[in-house]
Amino acid sequence: EAGVAQSPRYKIIEKRQSVAFWCNPISGHATLYWYQQILGQGPKLLIQFQNNGVVDDSQLPKDRFSAERLKGVDSTLKIQPAKLEDSAVYLCASSLGLAGKETQYFGPGTRLLVL
Amino acid sequence: AQSVTQLGSHVSVSEGALVLLRCNYSSSVPPYLFWYVQYPNQGLQLLLKYTTGATLVKGINGFEAEFKKSETSFHLTKPSAHMSDAAEYFCAVSAGNQFYFGTGTSLTVIP
Repeated sequence: EAGVAQSPRYKIIEKRQSVAFWCNPISGHATLYWYQQILGQGPKLLIQFQNNGVVDDSQLPKDRFSAERLKGVDSTLKIQPAKLEDSAVYLCASSLGLAGKETQYFGPGTRLLVL
Repeated sequence: AQSVTQLGSHVSVSEGALVLLRCNYSSSVPPYLFWYVQYPNQGLQLLLKYTTGATLVKGINGFEAEFKKSETSFHLTKPSAHMSDAAEYFCAVSAGNQFYFGTGTSLTVIP
């Protein structure tokens, strides 16, 4: 079974530029999550999708971050414009269902450096 | 509100020694609790989880954790450390649709 795929693996941009990350979840997984992991911290949940609908985006900085999952499968996370403090690893995860006891399966992450 | 506290950002043990990684949580509702491991340049992988039922949970690679409601703890243990256990370990709590991770504990295994 293929795992969660993410691309690119690494990205370096200058502040005020735009960047997009892509995630393809495990086949059949209805729920998709985007996390931000700043160096030395645990992952912070940014947004959660159930199929193509948003379940929770309370911690997503909506003035600069956006995410979509149009067909209920793969997803993109965009930052526009980027700030220095956005430097982090962006993790995508997926799970079969929405319930909080479901196991999340994580991709390898995209490491973003904003200069 | 939910939160997770991991005591000790760095833990070092000798190969063959007991591993104990501490996790305390706060939750206004009955929580689901998880331990994840992260190897360098990789995503997180589930070690074990507590949902309901038996409070002693066994996971992969010989790890186990015990849910103690009275102490609001979910400490991770392994009787004998192996070099391959060196990694970052995260405790997480789930309540409703929210997930909260601790800040992580980096485990070093000394040969």
